[in-house]
Amino acid sequence: DTAVSQTPKYLVTQMGNDKSIKCEQNLGHDTMYWYKQDSKKFLKIMFSYNNKELIINETVPNRFSPKSPDKAHLNLHINSLELGDSAVYFCASSQVSGGAHNEQFFGPGTRLTVL
Amino acid sequence: QQQVKQSPQSLIVQKGGISIINCAYENTAFDYFPWYQQFPGKGPALLIAIRPDVSEKKEGRFTISFNKSAKQFSLHIMDSQPGDSATYFCAASVALSGYSTLTFGKGTMLLVSP
Repeated sequence: DTAVSQTPKYLVTQMGNDKSIKCEQNLGHDTMYWYKQDSKKFLKIMFSYNNKELIINETVPNRFSPKSPDKAHLNLHINSLELGDSAVYFCASSQVSGGAHNEQFFGPGTRLTVL
Repeated sequence: QQQVKQSPQSLIVQKGGISIINCAYENTAFDYFPWYQQFPGKGPALLIAIRPDVSEKKEGRFTISFNKSAKQFSLHIMDSQPGDSATYFCAASVALSGYSTLTFGKGTMLLVSP
């Protein structure tokens, strides 16, 4: 059973288009995240949701809009795609309890290529 | 501002050798230091983690050494194997009212030659 799954795995699209990436976790975690990994493999947090509530929103263009319909899902919608949005996007989840640091489980990633 | 600096960027080690990756941090509020391993085409996976109240943690062939005064920590892979070839990321986080996010280093590509 896949713990954190993402669809699609690959996404190739034209500049200016709008696209969505879906993420689901079956671990029962209460916190989910989106990370962006650029061409140099640098991983950077974009958003964090706890119990469907946005708790962390790093400096990300407002063309990126996360949506959490329930605790198990965190989708990422991107409007007006730009060349610089090309990257691998990772979804992750963890169980946050009383301030303790718990392992974040990452999905397999979605490679987005904007032409 | 890069809060976690990782070196080297890439590393080639002979099979059976010791791989050493170093990280330094600036934020003294960090209180959790994990290392993640990423294979090509896969997401990062937690390898080993340490909290600042201990100076060393060992799990099998993997050891974290932590120097709080120097604000540095390192990963040592003993008896490195070709299967260890991957990208390794150090990270750090601080609990904020029950939440925490990971700040990653830039990664080290490790190649273990047979």
